[in-house]
Amino acid sequence: QAVVTQEPSLTVSPGGTVTLTCGSSTGAVTSGHYPYWFQQKPGQAPRTLVYDTTNKHSWTPARFSGSLLGGKAALTLSGAQPEDEADYYCLLYYSRARVFGGGTKLTVL
Amino acid sequence: QLQLQESGPGLVKPSETLSLTCSVSRGSISSRTYYWVWIRQPPGKGLECIGTMYYDGGAYRGAYNNPSLGSRVTVAVDTFKNQFSLKLNSVTATDAAVYYCAINYSDGSGSFHWGQGALVTVSS
Repeated sequence: QAVVTQEPSLTVSPGGTVTLTCGSSTGAVTSGHYPYWFQQKPGQAPRTLVYDTTNKHSWTPARFSGSLLGGKAALTLSGAQPEDEADYYCLLYYSRARVFGGGTKLTVL
Repeated sequence: QLQLQESGPGLVKPSETLSLTCSVSRGSISSRTYYWVWIRQPPGKGLECIGTMYYDGGAYRGAYNNPSLGSRVTVAVDTFKNQFSLKLNSVTATDAAVYYCAINYSDGSGSFHWGQGALVTVSS
């Protein structure tokens, strides 16, 4: 099974911009992996922020955006807020398999 | 809004079988094509997809299980009750986790509905 990699931790200043990435051991991440991004806060189930690389749900703050960047899926947060401090997971589809990345712990400090 | 609920024993003895069931607790599945998904999260660790089963509007298709779990895992659907089940054999302490069920619509809507999660402890 493929391995999906994310930065273990990142720090961003309030109001700052940060990009989280999601790579695949099988090669470049493409739209065919249908990248999802989830946000998880302590004690809560994850919730979807971005799906199919760039699409957002109605509840996704406008400051989050998804893209493909340098062969990886990327989640960019522009104008970080204290409430954005959380764990972020990407999910890639490999045919019938779904593989999560190890998660990125984002600190807003 | 679709809600899912996991149920099953919160404590399982080592070497025994972990069994969980996922039910739709509110709302109804509104897509013709979707995946049932079991996901787990050990304490303080990341998410791991355990297994999936696909529904294409006509029938449930073959299950896919995480190869790292080998033949220990079985996922199944009770179409009568609209429930999704998980069985994990020969559990060890490393199987202790919060187990989530989810429904992921494959209709382009990106909908990924999660249950609240069920904590399973492995101990004698």
